[in-house]
Amino acid sequence: SAVISQKPSRDICQRGTSLTIQCQVDSQVTMMFWYRQQPGQSLTLIATANQGSEATYESGFVIDKFPISRPNLTFSTLTVSNMSPEDSSIYLCSVVRWGNTEAFFGQGTRLTVV
Amino acid sequence: DAKTTQPPSMDCAEGRAANLPCNHSTISGNEYVYWYRQIHSQGPQYIIHGLKNNETNEMASLIITEDRKSSTLILPHATLRDTAVYYCIVRVDTDKLIFGTGTRLQVFP
Repeated sequence: SAVISQKPSRDICQRGTSLTIQCQVDSQVTMMFWYRQQPGQSLTLIATANQGSEATYESGFVIDKFPISRPNLTFSTLTVSNMSPEDSSIYLCSVVRWGNTEAFFGQGTRLTVV
Repeated sequence: DAKTTQPPSMDCAEGRAANLPCNHSTISGNEYVYWYRQIHSQGPQYIIHGLKNNETNEMASLIITEDRKSSTLILPHATLRDTAVYYCIVRVDTDKLIFGTGTRLQVFP
C-alpha cells in the first residue's frame, strides 16, 4: 500500500474563509482523487487531480469552489473556498500507484465550518 | 450513480463467517468488482478485487457468480474489529471509484 499523508488532519474554520488541504504520497502515483464525506453519508467523488493540468470535476463540483492542484506525481492540494457550514465534511485523498489498480486512501481531513 | 446494490445492514457473530452480498447486474465485461471497508472515522481500506474468478487473500474471499451479476465477500472468521461499512464497487482498471451506500456490518460477541 502507499503511505498517504494528509494535512491538516482536522480544522475548525470561520465561514467565508478558505482552507487548503495537502496530500503527499511516499511514491509516484498515476491517479489522485479527492472525495468528500458528509456526516453520516458515503463518499462522493469531487474530482480527479491531473498532473500538470486542470482537474476533472464531477457533476455538482466546480473549480471556483474546489480548486485543485497537482504539480507532480506525489503531491496534490484541494482548496475549499468561501466556506459555509454546509462544507463541514471529511475530505479524503485517494491514489493509485504505478503498476497497481487498487486505490488507497488517506486518513482524511475533518473540516468544521462555524 | 453507483452501479451496485447492497443490503444496508447485517449482523454477524464473532468467530462466524460473514457473507456480504452485492448485486451488479449491469456490470460490463471490462469492469472489476472491488471491495472496500471503512471503519469509523478512518479512510476506506482496500480488501480485495476480482474480474470473474474467485479470489482469496489474507483478509477475505471474493466469490463472483458465473454471469458476473452478483458477488459475495466472505470474512471467514469475523472479529469485533471487522465492524465497519463495506462497499462493493464496480470499476474499470484504474478509473475512479464511485461509492454507493454500502453495508454496515455489526459483529457482536
